[in-house]
Amino acid sequence: KNQVEQSPQSLIILEGKNCTLQCNYTVSPFSNLRWYKQDTGRGPVSLTIMTFSENTKSNGRYTATLDADTKQSSLHITASQLSDSASYICVVSDRGSTLGRLYFGRGTQLTVWP
Amino acid sequence: EADIYQTPRYLVIGTGKKITLECSQTMGHDKMYWYQQDPGMELHLIHYSYGVNSTEKGDLSSESTVSRIRTEHFPLTLESARPSHTSQYLCASSDPTGNREKLFFGSGTQLSVL
Repeated sequence: KNQVEQSPQSLIILEGKNCTLQCNYTVSPFSNLRWYKQDTGRGPVSLTIMTFSENTKSNGRYTATLDADTKQSSLHITASQLSDSASYICVVSDRGSTLGRLYFGRGTQLTVWP
Repeated sequence: EADIYQTPRYLVIGTGKKITLECSQTMGHDKMYWYQQDPGMELHLIHYSYGVNSTEKGDLSSESTVSRIRTEHFPLTLESARPSHTSQYLCASSDPTGNREKLFFGSGTQLSVL
């Protein structure tokens, strides 16, 4: 069964600290992996998209890594800010499928305290 | 900032009422989607469209219906709302760029059925 598991479920850190969120998937075949940020009461916003051949992708203070062999990805946030408080969602697409058949994780709820 | 708009943002209605959730995008995207999201849970695809007069049901069984008469407009209708329909509904459209097809989400409609 194609699944996407994220950990931790929730995380609290102090402003300025770094953190790493994890995503493990069993989706096969694999096309790409995406990380989204979803603020409370809003729609998700794309942070990174990585294909099979890419093992790292950065977007400002966000750096995503991908190990397609172990089917694991991580999202590292550097020097966290209060505005980073949000849910971070890992999404995996299988090769040859329509985009509509994405596999979503349940997200990691990150809270940044001052 | 994505140019995809959902109205209303919040809706509280009584059981048995007919409702239509509006979604419009000004990006000229052919592909559009409706997702349902409950708190702390993953997004579930309920409907999608690949263009005008094209609509398909998604992975999650839904009692809603959709229409796609114009490229920019993809409304979702519930003929008779029930408390089990209480959820957040997210509309999205995608910009096809090969393997990195990017998904843009609206801000969502939070529906509460009493």
